[in-house]
Amino acid sequence: EVQLAESGGGLVQPGGSLRLSCVASGFAFSNYYMNWVRQAPGRGLEWVANIKQDGSEEYYAGSLKGRFTISRDNTKNSVYLQMNSLRADDTAVYYCARGDDYQDVGIWGQGTLVTVSS
Amino acid sequence: QSVLTQPPSASGPPGQRVTISCSGSRSNIGSNYVYWHQQLPGTAPKLLIYWNNQRPSGVPDRFSGSKSGTSASLAISGLQSEDEADYYCASWDDSLRALVFGGGTKLTVL
Repeated sequence: EVQLAESGGGLVQPGGSLRLSCVASGFAFSNYYMNWVRQAPGRGLEWVANIKQDGSEEYYAGSLKGRFTISRDNTKNSVYLQMNSLRADDTAVYYCARGDDYQDVGIWGQGTLVTVSS
Repeated sequence: QSVLTQPPSASGPPGQRVTISCSGSRSNIGSNYVYWHQQLPGTAPKLLIYWNNQRPSGVPDRFSGSKSGTSASLAISGLQSEDEADYYCASWDDSLRALVFGGGTKLTVL
C-alpha cells in the first residue's frame, strides 16, 4: 500500500525554524517527484514546492522562495521541508504528496500541523 | 486571490448532476493538464481526476472531467450524500513555474 507519513510539525515562535519530514512506503520513491502543499485553517490548498526524482531540480511558490527549502534523501525514502523565518501566516497543515512529474500531485499524506505563534 | 477561479459553492439534491467550473489562462489550463482533488470534511485531499479527464482506479464513473481552452469542468452525476466535500482544480503554470490551485468549491447535497 502506498503511504506517505509526515512528521515534524508543532508550535514554533515567529521568526523560528522548523524541519518537516515525510517518509514514503509502498512504491519506488526515487521514481517520483515529491511535493509539499499546505492548507491554512479554513482555507484552500496552496502548493509550496516540489523536487525532481534525483533532487537536481526544485520549484517553489514565488511567495515562499528564499525562506523554504525542499530536499530529499532517496536512501531513506524521505522528503524534507526546511522552513525558516516563520510567520503567523505560515500556520497550516502541511501535506506531503507524490507526483508523476513536475506538474501533478497524485497521492497525498495525512498532513502535519504547523502553528506559528508566540 | 487564486490563479484558477472556481465558484465558492455548488449544490444539488441526491441523484442530480452538478458541474463545477475552473477558469484559468493560457499559461496554465491552456497549456497543461488539469487535475481535480476531493477533500472530504476533516480528511486529506484525494486525487479525483488527472490528465483532464482520467479517473484513478477506485473513483466512480459518476465523476468526469473535461477541458476546453482555458477552462475546465468537473461533473458529478447521480449525486450522493457522501459527495459532500470541497473540490479543487489544479494545473501547472508555465509563467509562474508553479503548481496552482483553484480556491475550492464546497459541494452541498441538499
